[in-house]
Amino acid sequence: AQSVTQLGSHVSVSEGALVLLRCNYSSSVPPYLFWYVQYPNQGLQLLLKYTSAATLVKGINGFEAEFKKSETSFHLTKPSAHMSDAAEYFCAVSDKVRFGNEKLTFGTGTRLTIIP
Amino acid sequence: GAGVSQSPSNKVTEKGKDVELRCDPISGHTALYWYRQSLGQGLEFLIYFQGNSAPDKSGLPSDRFSAERTGGSVSTLTIQRTQQEDSAVYLCASSWGVLETQYFGPGTRLLVL
Repeated sequence: AQSVTQLGSHVSVSEGALVLLRCNYSSSVPPYLFWYVQYPNQGLQLLLKYTSAATLVKGINGFEAEFKKSETSFHLTKPSAHMSDAAEYFCAVSDKVRFGNEKLTFGTGTRLTIIP
Repeated sequence: GAGVSQSPSNKVTEKGKDVELRCDPISGHTALYWYRQSLGQGLEFLIYFQGNSAPDKSGLPSDRFSAERTGGSVSTLTIQRTQQEDSAVYLCASSWGVLETQYFGPGTRLLVL
């Protein structure tokens, strides 16, 4: 079974500071990994995804994530936080090997607050 | 717009009543997913459609929950005899197919009184 752990349900950073949101996964097969963002009262929006092409993945809004197999991690970073980054962020894993098992398994989410 | 749409956006119902939630996927997307987002359980997978068939129903919490998809497009999630623990945001997503990016709708917020 696959699972995702997001360390820190709430993270606060100052505007302009580095954003680091942690995600560790567990999967018995090579995974696809995703980061989604959810703004208040809105649906989920894909930030970026890892599908084994390159370990450093760049997404929208200046975010990027690095797949580290040895650490089973897929942490999300942004060099300089902006007020508009305040939202809830979800890490998710999908089993890319087993056809017919395309569901996403989500972490519990991290709420990011930006301090002016 | 051309995104995934869901209706209603909000639904308040009384315990024991049946509800139907609708999802209109992005045109051309063959795969459709239902998820539930609740305070206690986070984001949970419910069911997945490829075309009109549902290869994976493993996430449906009980036999009160059912879903169908017709014409390879619109899907309806039905909850019979609603219970208070069914209160949640029900999210629909669609994708071009197997292992493609899932695009989410805004959700239906269900409150069972």
